[in-house]
Amino acid sequence: AQTVTQSQPEMSVQEAETVTLSCTYDTSESDYYLFWYKQPPSRQMILVIRQEAYKQQNATENRFSVNFQKAAKSFSLKISDSQLGDAAMYFCAYRSALFYNNNDMRFGAGTRLTVKP
Amino acid sequence: DGGITQSPKYLFRKEGQNVTLSCEQNLNHDAMYWYRQDPGQGLRLIYYSQIVNDFQKGDIAEGYSVSREKKESFPLTVTSAQKNPTAFYLCASTSGQGAGYGYTFGSGTRLTVV
Repeated sequence: AQTVTQSQPEMSVQEAETVTLSCTYDTSESDYYLFWYKQPPSRQMILVIRQEAYKQQNATENRFSVNFQKAAKSFSLKISDSQLGDAAMYFCAYRSALFYNNNDMRFGAGTRLTVKP
Repeated sequence: DGGITQSPKYLFRKEGQNVTLSCEQNLNHDAMYWYRQDPGQGLRLIYYSQIVNDFQKGDIAEGYSVSREKKESFPLTVTSAQKNPTAFYLCASTSGQGAGYGYTFGSGTRLTVV
């Protein structure tokens, strides 16, 4: 079974600075998707960014970008120009692209990000 | 607006009691999921359903039951057999058209044993 590891239980960043959250995963598959979800204090899960394993170009969504290293099985999230509203729990997730799998999403344990004014 | 509605937001259960958490979606999604969230453990899959009248156990199904009689609804029952039910429960859904769509989540139900 695929596993997702987030080795940083907590991170903090100064407002307007840049922070990188780490994620590694274990899989024997070649086709899959990776996601970062944000869970603010409201506990509503919000999709931040996604990456398809076959795409070499790193995904970017405004201030959020990823560094996807397929060979190293690493998928880090970079938040630029951090804002107070970025404070949340961030979850890295893996989803197999193979239809015959149960196709559920596997989540890491999460990283709690604090943004200091 | 389309989305997933979970109710109630907070639920209290007495020892030995069964309780049912509601999850309704109007996104016309085929697949629906129930996850349990505990501090430091991320989200763990309880049950999922990819089609009406069919569902599969996830990693921690013991003490839980589900039904999928309508495409829009996927209620979760926490039975008295679940020894440690206090947790935050999240329902999710996704289109069956590909793995890259990600999940849409409800706002969750916080269950506490009293």
